[in-house]
Amino acid sequence: GAGVSQSPSNKVTEKGKDVELRCDPISGHTALYWYRQSLGQGLEFLIYFQGNSAPDKSGLPSDRFSAERTGGSVSTLTIQRTQQEDSAVYLCASSSTLAGGVYEQYFGPGTRLTVT
Amino acid sequence: DQQVKQNSPSLSVQEGRISILNCDYTNSMFDYFLWYKKYPAEGPTFLISISSIKDKNEDGRFTVFLNKSAKHLSLHIVPSQPGDSAVYFCAAIQNQGGKLIFGQGTELSVKP
Repeated sequence: GAGVSQSPSNKVTEKGKDVELRCDPISGHTALYWYRQSLGQGLEFLIYFQGNSAPDKSGLPSDRFSAERTGGSVSTLTIQRTQQEDSAVYLCASSSTLAGGVYEQYFGPGTRLTVT
Repeated sequence: DQQVKQNSPSLSVQEGRISILNCDYTNSMFDYFLWYKKYPAEGPTFLISISSIKDKNEDGRFTVFLNKSAKHLSLHIVPSQPGDSAVYFCAAIQNQGGKLIFGQGTELSVKP
């Protein structure tokens, strides 16, 4: 079946502009996550949505970052007034919450954001 | 504070030999551990996982070992193949379905 998809695959923006990154999770997955990978770094958790619960925003680096998930499916990560340090690959993942076991997260291909 | 650490940024192995990738963690509350493999310009791909109540999990050429007392886990790949060349990330989770805490990754190169 279809995996996690993200758009755009690449985004170049000027410092100070706002950007929106989109994630379409695997159909039926109720949990959705955003991570980012800066150059030479590991993957850093940003935000996590689980069903209708309040999202876990503990990883968002500043109040310029926000995310929403509409209808329990598609999610948009918004970065306002972008800074050069926001340049990174932004990765979305989703997982199932079927009973039993731990729910492996399946990742999309990422959006490479470059702030000039 | 890096809760999950992969101290070797790179590893080079001959085809057919064993690859051993190591990972250390500091949080004793982690109850599940996962390994992901990542090729350039692609998202990470789930490889294998292990619950904290086990000490070994095997899937084909891949085996993960967990030493809870040492807060250490390792991924063994036997035999290594050139197609295994990628960056391998260790990750830990505290609650089922919660956020993953990743290590910095180890770049594995398998030489023919």
